[in-house]
Amino acid sequence: QVQLQESGPGLVKPSQTLSLTCTVSGGSISSGDYYWSWIRQPPGKGLEWIGYIYYSGSTYYNPSLKSRVTISVDTSKNQFSLKLSSVTAADTAVYYCARGVAASNWGQGTLVTVSS
Amino acid sequence: EIVLTQSPGTLSLSPGERATLSCRASQSVSSSYLAWYQQKPGQAPRLLIYGASSRATGIPDRFSGSGSGTDFTLTISRLEPEDFAVYYCQQYGSSPTFGQGTKVEIK
Repeated sequence: QVQLQESGPGLVKPSQTLSLTCTVSGGSISSGDYYWSWIRQPPGKGLEWIGYIYYSGSTYYNPSLKSRVTISVDTSKNQFSLKLSSVTAADTAVYYCARGVAASNWGQGTLVTVSS
Repeated sequence: EIVLTQSPGTLSLSPGERATLSCRASQSVSSSYLAWYQQKPGQAPRLLIYGASSRATGIPDRFSGSGSGTDFTLTISRLEPEDFAVYYCQQYGSSPTFGQGTKVEIK
């Protein structure tokens, strides 16, 4: 059973860059069977798609975040990563990594707070 | 961007009752790329339905999805205590988007 685990700082200052990594176990990103996604959820609110990546490195980003988002993959470590630049308080959320575009497996999520 | 509107916002029902949740898209969802998720407090969402009507692995058959084009429905035939949660629809045929959610609460 594939498992995903997010890691990274829980507190980021305004205007800085949020960086998270998702480590995948029990399955290989390089298999090419799935896209790998980032999704976020502000406290008490709904879900927002951030973007996804294929093992080859091809990406798709939410148009509303595209100018600030970079998703990358490291197949040697079976990890993929998220960078979100110029963060504000509106970027405070639980960030999830997931397998697939119809996301069949999710990490537990990590709360990232943007505050000085 | 395809906007998904879920209704009702809250559904108050008793265990054993049937739940019918609606998801309407602002434009046609290509190839029925419509999914449903369940989320309980403090947990990640769980995929229930993909392709509008296919149950994900391990999902009980009391959950069913239907619809095409712009109108989709999630039906829970008989509510179990563990089914009280928030449900989201998602389209993934173009730039993925989620609905705002329907809360199914105990009456």
